[in-house]
Amino acid sequence: EPEVTQTPSHQVTQMGQEVILRCVPISNHLYFYWYRQILGQKVEFLVSFYNNEISEKSEIFDDQFSVERPDGSNFTLKIRSTKLEDSAMYFCASIYTGPGANVLTFGAGSRLTVL
Amino acid sequence: QKEVEQNSGPLSVPEGAIASLNCTYSDRVSQSFFWYRQYSGKSPELIMSIYSNGDKEDGRFTAQLNKASQYVSLLIRDSQPSDSATYLCAGRGLYSSASKIIFGSGTRLSIRP
Repeated sequence: EPEVTQTPSHQVTQMGQEVILRCVPISNHLYFYWYRQILGQKVEFLVSFYNNEISEKSEIFDDQFSVERPDGSNFTLKIRSTKLEDSAMYFCASIYTGPGANVLTFGAGSRLTVL
Repeated sequence: QKEVEQNSGPLSVPEGAIASLNCTYSDRVSQSFFWYRQYSGKSPELIMSIYSNGDKEDGRFTAQLNKASQYVSLLIRDSQPSDSATYLCAGRGLYSSASKIIFGSGTRLSIRP
């Protein structure tokens, strides 16, 4: 069964450092997403990406965050200067949005720990 | 009002009984709804989707949608210890051009043997 692949599974970084989280969405999916889940809290929407541009972003997704799809397969989330409060699990997800079922499929997540 | 609201629990149910999970949603959420299960430290996995008023059954799971009351529920029959997890109710953002799925905070379910 096709799956969304995320790397790394866990990253530890110092406050102020740049972090890039990587995702390979399911190949025929058209919309890509990043969600965040701080430990013990809800799954929060960060950003959606369609047709090589951001289609929607939340207020969490400020200037410190960026996304891109550099090579047609990878979908990355960059945090420019990490803060302690960026420590969370980051989930990549993708969806088909064509005829038939439109199921949001999540990757296994990347746990980010900012020290 | 939160867009998708759930009781955080924990909800404790004896093995073999029916677990009932509930969710309400605001006007900012559209008529497509989903139940995800999330084990601790893992990603959400889809259990069921429901788009129309009424019931939808899949194995031991039944989702119910009442659009007039803006209420979604999930029933789990013959509860098993492996059903112990956090259950996330989610809906599609009404004004979203990007099929954004909005999650509730989740209900923690514990099945006691």
